Amino acid sequence: DAGVIQSPRHEVTEMGQEVTLRCKPISGHDYLFWYRQTMMRGLELLIYFNNNVPIDDSGMPEDRFSAKMPNASFSTLKIQPSEPRDSAVYFCASSLVSGVGYTFGSGTRLTVV
Amino acid sequence: TQLLEQSPQFLSIQEGENLTVYCNSSSVFSSLQWYRQEPGEGPVLLVTVVTGGEVKKLKRLTFQFGDARKDSSLHITAAQPGDTGLYLCAGPETRSQGNLIFGKGTKLSVKP
Repeated sequence: DAGVIQSPRHEVTEMGQEVTLRCKPISGHDYLFWYRQTMMRGLELLIYFNNNVPIDDSGMPEDRFSAKMPNASFSTLKIQPSEPRDSAVYFCASSLVSGVGYTFGSGTRLTVV
Repeated sequence: TQLLEQSPQFLSIQEGENLTVYCNSSSVFSSLQWYRQEPGEGPVLLVTVVTGGEVKKLKRLTFQFGDARKDSSLHITAAQPGDTGLYLCAGPETRSQGNLIFGKGTKLSVKP
């Protein structure tokens, strides 16, 4: 298996622009997670899905952030409009079981200028 | 709010030395996991400990879960440059099991 695949690896955008991050989980994994990593706050869960249904989005910072999972093999995280404080590395992860043994993608490094 | 505190934050040692890093909480966790993250990559799972007092070994790495399931340690024997990376502990939040709470990590540098 190719693992969890994220795109793009790097994204530089101007403040106010829309940003879409993409993720393909491992086939057969029922859970998909979006995390954000910063130096100050470490890794924080934004939202997670079970069988394509959002279960907990309490970590989504504000209405500018939205996430979808239209099918078992694809998810997107969208930021509109983007702000400089959104600059971070965004990780997607998937797992067979909730709370145990997550497989992470390589991340998307987002820079908003 | 459940928190995981890791110490030390940074550790720089010479090849061949031994080291221990710690992961502590005031909360009980059903399990704790250790991940290693290299620059530009996502965290990679090393081990999961489930039972209080459990000890697991992975080659030169020894992981221990505290008896009260509030803390864990990672001991590396004869560290090598390939052990360099960010070591993260994580545990499932009681309120929302899918939320894996991460500590901020110990950044280890092993010099040849």
